[in-house]
Amino acid sequence: AQSVTQLGSHVSVSEGALVLLRCNYSSSVPPYLFWYVQYPNQGLQLLLKYTSAATLVKGINGFEAEFKKSETSFHLTKPSAHMSDAAEYFCAVSWGTGFQKLVFGTGTRLLVSP
Amino acid sequence: GAVVSQHPSRVICKSGTSVKIECRSLDFQATTMFWYRQFPKQSLMLMATSNEGSKATYEQGVEKDKFLINHASLTLSTLTVTSAHPEDSSFYICSALVKGPGSEKLFFGSGTQLSVL
Repeated sequence: AQSVTQLGSHVSVSEGALVLLRCNYSSSVPPYLFWYVQYPNQGLQLLLKYTSAATLVKGINGFEAEFKKSETSFHLTKPSAHMSDAAEYFCAVSWGTGFQKLVFGTGTRLLVSP
Repeated sequence: GAVVSQHPSRVICKSGTSVKIECRSLDFQATTMFWYRQFPKQSLMLMATSNEGSKATYEQGVEKDKFLINHASLTLSTLTVTSAHPEDSSFYICSALVKGPGSEKLFFGSGTQLSVL
């Protein structure tokens, strides 16, 4: 079955440090890939998405992700963490068209310490 | 940005009762809405796709008679958990799809935590 794996349910970084959240998917066929962020008591918000254009995708709030077909990965990074980045992050993949049939990872909670 | 309102945010009910969750698109029309369920420490799982004016399409393993979905208007979809049991306790999330010229966007509600006693 198609699946999405997010390594680490919790990631802790210091303010100003590099943020790296990992995401791997199970298929060799390049699908659509997404990263979402969820702040407390809010809905998921789209950070960025890959749709077979450039492999390095830039999103909002300084985040970016690189699609690596050979590694079936789509890791999310940010050069310098900010306190406001503390949230739950979800990787999602669609093997259909666009947003149809999204398959989500289990989420990674990012903790940012002063 | 577009807002999807999901209500209630939290509900506690007795076993055997039914619970209705509403998902509203506040400033746009959504022909398609999705319903997901998330168990603790697990990923969001798509339950069904709801299209305005037609029957919902359920994912494999989701009981359509237990999880009734109604999408009677372009701004409202409802999920009714019928005869709820403790194993139905979960976090339910809706999303609404907006289609524009050459693009589409998906907006999520903030979720409903259902606890069945």
